Amino acid sequence: NAGVTQTPKFQVLKTGQSMTLQCAQDMNHEYMSWYRQDPGMGLRLIHYSVGAGITDQGEVPNGYNVSRSTTEDFPLRLLSAAPSQTSVYFCASSLGTGGGEAFFGQGTRLTVV
Amino acid sequence: QQQVKQSPQSLIVQKGGIPIINCAYENTAFDYFPWYQQFPGKGPALLIAIRPDVSEKKEGRFTISFNKSAKQFSLHIMDSQPGDSATYFCAVSREKLTFGTGTRLTIIP
Repeated sequence: NAGVTQTPKFQVLKTGQSMTLQCAQDMNHEYMSWYRQDPGMGLRLIHYSVGAGITDQGEVPNGYNVSRSTTEDFPLRLLSAAPSQTSVYFCASSLGTGGGEAFFGQGTRLTVV
Repeated sequence: QQQVKQSPQSLIVQKGGIPIINCAYENTAFDYFPWYQQFPGKGPALLIAIRPDVSEKKEGRFTISFNKSAKQFSLHIMDSQPGDSATYFCAVSREKLTFGTGTRLTIIP
């Protein structure tokens, strides 16, 4: 009963490097999303997807790309890491759009030096 | 532009007390108002949620009070315990879930 699985749990990147944060869910949820959590700012929506092949921007999309080729997976790509992207990233999934329980992964703590 | 404002930022309450966390929103189109609880090193987890057609919802020791005309809702924790120490987030939703800035709650024995 895995739920939402994020990998890696921790990552250190150098400025300018690229990487992909992985997110997989086994609940057959259509809706998936990525948030970043920074002190005093809550969770801010980066990108979201309402189903395979459909993605859209959230509140803070700059510097991040997403794709949704399957229902299960929703990777987040950092194209050229910047220190401002140092944060804790959470992936979430839910059965429907917005108005239902969102299940979160354990998070990825990313440091960009 | 912040769609939901949460207060206080931090709160310390003695065991058995009733911490209250407040949220205010602007957009009347929101139709789902959840509260999430987060422990250190973990992802947020749904605690309790309410729809705008009711003014109060209770689940165990947790109660949401909802004031549609004032566009405010709050979380009350009855008989608070040290195990309730966590960060609490309110959220609003229409199609996307938008979170408040969080309240770090500490329950002291």
